[in-house]
Amino acid sequence: GQNIDQPTEMTATEGAIVQINCTYQTSGFNGLFWYQQHAGEAPTFLSYNVLDGLEEKGRFSSFLSRSKGYSYLLLKELQMKDSASYLCAVPDSNYQLIWGAGTKLIIKP
Amino acid sequence: TAGITQAPTSQILAAGRSMTLRCTQDMRHNAMYWYRQDLGLGLRLIHYSNTAGTTGKGEVPDGYSVSRANTDDFPLTLASAVPSQTSVYFCASSGEGEAAEAFFGQGTRLTVV
Repeated sequence: GQNIDQPTEMTATEGAIVQINCTYQTSGFNGLFWYQQHAGEAPTFLSYNVLDGLEEKGRFSSFLSRSKGYSYLLLKELQMKDSASYLCAVPDSNYQLIWGAGTKLIIKP
Repeated sequence: TAGITQAPTSQILAAGRSMTLRCTQDMRHNAMYWYRQDLGLGLRLIHYSNTAGTTGKGEVPDGYSVSRANTDDFPLTLASAVPSQTSVYFCASSGEGEAAEAFFGQGTRLTVV
């Protein structure tokens, strides 16, 4: 079966760096997605990784290790607007996304 | 650009009543999805449609039905609502390919009392 684990909540300081981890177990592998969801809003796409390594996109980077079933989202130069939940998702064998419960990131001044 | 529109934004529904949550997209995406999101749980797939005229069951389909008469619309119906269906419901669509991102509607907050 599929299983995705993320920390429930993390706290970081404005201007700092934070790493949000995601571990997954899948019968096959078709990539891994990260989404951002502000409170009361819809999720929005951040990144997609299908190959091992780090993909950088501005202040946000996403890393994947397929052999370890592990990914992380790295947020640099944290801003207050980065306070949100970060959702990790992987497609199942039918390409339907299986979602982690999300990590709520709290940014403090 | 509208993207995906859901209606209503919120609703209080008496148990036993039926209701249809509406979802319309203007991106001509073939794939559409209905999720529910509950506190402490990830988004859970209720039903999906890979193209107009076809639908499939997701992880939690019981108590819900969908139809896909055309590309743009994907309504979700609760035939006889129960309190456990209190949740936030998101409709989403995606384009072709494994890397296709999903675009979400703004959500419908449903309370069944």
